Amino acid sequence: EPEVTQTPSHQVTQMGQEVILRCVPISNHLYFYWYRQILGQKVEFLVSFYNNEISEKSEIFDDQFSVERPDGSNFTLKIRSTKLEDSAMYFCASSERHWGTEAFFGQGTRLTVV
Amino acid sequence: QKEVEQNSGPLSVPEGAIASLNCTYSDRVSQSFFWYRQYSGKSPELIMSIYSNGDKEDGRFTAQLNKASQYVSLLIRDSQPSDSATYLCAVNDNQGGKLIFGQGTELSVKP
Repeated sequence: EPEVTQTPSHQVTQMGQEVILRCVPISNHLYFYWYRQILGQKVEFLVSFYNNEISEKSEIFDDQFSVERPDGSNFTLKIRSTKLEDSAMYFCASSERHWGTEAFFGQGTRLTVV
Repeated sequence: QKEVEQNSGPLSVPEGAIASLNCTYSDRVSQSFFWYRQYSGKSPELIMSIYSNGDKEDGRFTAQLNKASQYVSLLIRDSQPSDSATYLCAVNDNQGGKLIFGQGTELSVKP
C-alpha cells in the first residue's frame, strides 16, 4: 500500500541551527502539506504546496520556514534558525486533489530544539 | 476563525461496548469531513471520510454527518482495547484545501 515516508524520525538540534525535514509523498498525489503538533496540542496546518509553489500558508509559516520540491519525489521543509518553540512533531501529508479527497500522513519527524 | 470542536475526554468504555465520538464545526459551507486515529507519539491515521449527510459504515466504524447541525460523529461498535487512542475530527477548508483539526477525543477501552 502506498504511503508517505518521512526522514528523519527524530532530530535534535541546537537553537539557531538550520534543519531540513524530508518527505516522500505518495507518487500519484499532487498536493503536499506540512502540519505541526506541539506536545499535547492540536495538529496545526503550516503550508500547502501544489505545482511547485506554495498554495497556502498559515501565520506560523513565517520567513524562517521554506518548502521545496527539489526533485520528482522529495518534498522538504526547512527551518532556517530554529527556536525552542519549534520543538514539535512535524507531519507531511499528501492528497490527490485540492479538497474533497483524503489526505494521508507520514509517520512524522520529532524535532527537539535544545 | 474556522474551528472544529471535540470533547477532549477521556472517554472510557468497556470492551465490546459502542464508543460514540462527537465533533462540531463552525464553517457552514464545509463539505468534507474526516476521522483520524492517533496513537500516542504517532501520526494521524485515516479511518473514515464522509461527504454527504447520513451514515457511512466501514466495518466496526460508522461516521454520521448532519450538515444542518454542523455535526459529525464516529461510532465504534464492539470496542476493543486496541481502539484506545485519540480520535481526531478534521474538516476540509473549502477555500484552501487544508485540514482543520479538532483537539481530539481520547478513548480508553477497558478489558
